[in-house]
Amino acid sequence: GENVEQHPSTLSVQEGDSAVIKCTYSDSASNYFPWYKQELGKGPQLIIDIRSNVGEKKDQRIAVTLNKTAKHFSLHITETQPEDSAVYFCAAHLEGSARQLTFGSGTQLTVLP
Amino acid sequence: DTAVSQTPKYLVTQMGNDKSIKCEQNLGHDTMYWYKQDSKKFLKIMFSYNNKELIINETVPNRFSPKSPDKAHLNLHINSLELGDSAVYFCASSQDGKNEKLFFGSGTQLSVL
Repeated sequence: GENVEQHPSTLSVQEGDSAVIKCTYSDSASNYFPWYKQELGKGPQLIIDIRSNVGEKKDQRIAVTLNKTAKHFSLHITETQPEDSAVYFCAAHLEGSARQLTFGSGTQLTVLP
Repeated sequence: DTAVSQTPKYLVTQMGNDKSIKCEQNLGHDTMYWYKQDSKKFLKIMFSYNNKELIINETVPNRFSPKSPDKAHLNLHINSLELGDSAVYFCASSQDGKNEKLFFGSGTQLSVL
């Protein structure tokens, strides 16, 4: 089955700096890669996703890059703000399959004011 | 209006008791899920239902029994609670059974004493 590794487990940045979270996956067939943000006391929320037919996707201050050859993908947050502080999860999935979404272990991002 | 709502938010109970967690989604989605998040924040799927039909049943003890009276509701009943059941349980839904673009509830913190 799929295995997703996520690094780092904790990340502290100064407000205004950029943050990068990296994930690697094991199953080369996986072709859908979402990122979820979980704020304290809340459930995870989808913030961006990418499919394997593109290498990069942006949404305002958030971007995700995908390297299919190396089987890794990354979340980039620019101009970080205190409200970006949360736990971020990457995940991998084979689109159209009944297999479950496989999540990474999460990254606690803290943006220091 | 809350898209995916689950109750109760907190559940404290003694070992050996039976308890239920309720979940409802008003998004018109076909698929609902139960996830377990352990103390290290790791997210693991437990069950998936598509139009009231069980799709995914991961290696979960028989003490856990999901029930879906209609496609807008997926409840989780737990018998003979054990200490190791303490975790946060999340209900989620998605448009179809593709395990993509999940909408999560705010979680139920279960503490077994």
